Amino acid sequence: SQELEQSPQSLIVQEGKNLTINCTSSKTLYGLYWYKQKYGEGLIFLMMLQKGGEEKSHEKITAKLDEKKQQSSLHITASQPSHAGIYLCGARRGGGGNKLTFGTGTQLKVEL
Amino acid sequence: DAGVIQSPRHEVTEMGQEVTLRCKPISGHNSLFWYRQTMMRGLELLIYFNNNVPIDDSGMPEDRFSAKMPNASFSTLKIQPSEPRDSAVYFCAVRGLTDTQYFGPGTRLTVL
Repeated sequence: SQELEQSPQSLIVQEGKNLTINCTSSKTLYGLYWYKQKYGEGLIFLMMLQKGGEEKSHEKITAKLDEKKQQSSLHITASQPSHAGIYLCGARRGGGGNKLTFGTGTQLKVEL
Repeated sequence: DAGVIQSPRHEVTEMGQEVTLRCKPISGHNSLFWYRQTMMRGLELLIYFNNNVPIDDSGMPEDRFSAKMPNASFSTLKIQPSEPRDSAVYFCAVRGLTDTQYFGPGTRLTVL
């Protein structure tokens, strides 16, 4: 089984609708990163969360970290076609290493 | 955005041939990561360097894979001999401030 499970695996929403993507870890989180990827391109860094209860926002995207549940959520308000892509969460583990383990990804399509 | 250049962007080769992928951070970085992304396995860390020294190569699939980082501004990932199952997108990433990793655009490798 994956260390990081994302749900849903894919999502189709109408433009203007809100949506939430979840990332659940089977191991302790020491840092949670959200990235966005468009087909054929690299990963674009969105946000990093480090402390339990932390919440960050950038434009219409908000991410939260629930350390106790070892879970993070990414919420998009009033989705736009530009939000379409694959969203990946990455987790940093303890031990002082710089390694990131990535989730399975959530593919988002925004319909006009 | 740390700025990472990868070359080539696309590579098509025949089974048994040697393949060399290149990564050039625009600014020197002391931590560099090589990832592989496939539909089946998602994004996997192959190897990472700190201060040009390989720290963890546990993700390198076989002896056919090797990586070098001769200086802070250049790294290579070599596959010799290549096999069809090596077909994937290979990403290079560098660590910036706050431990965030910044990804290059990737090299799409197809081994026939």
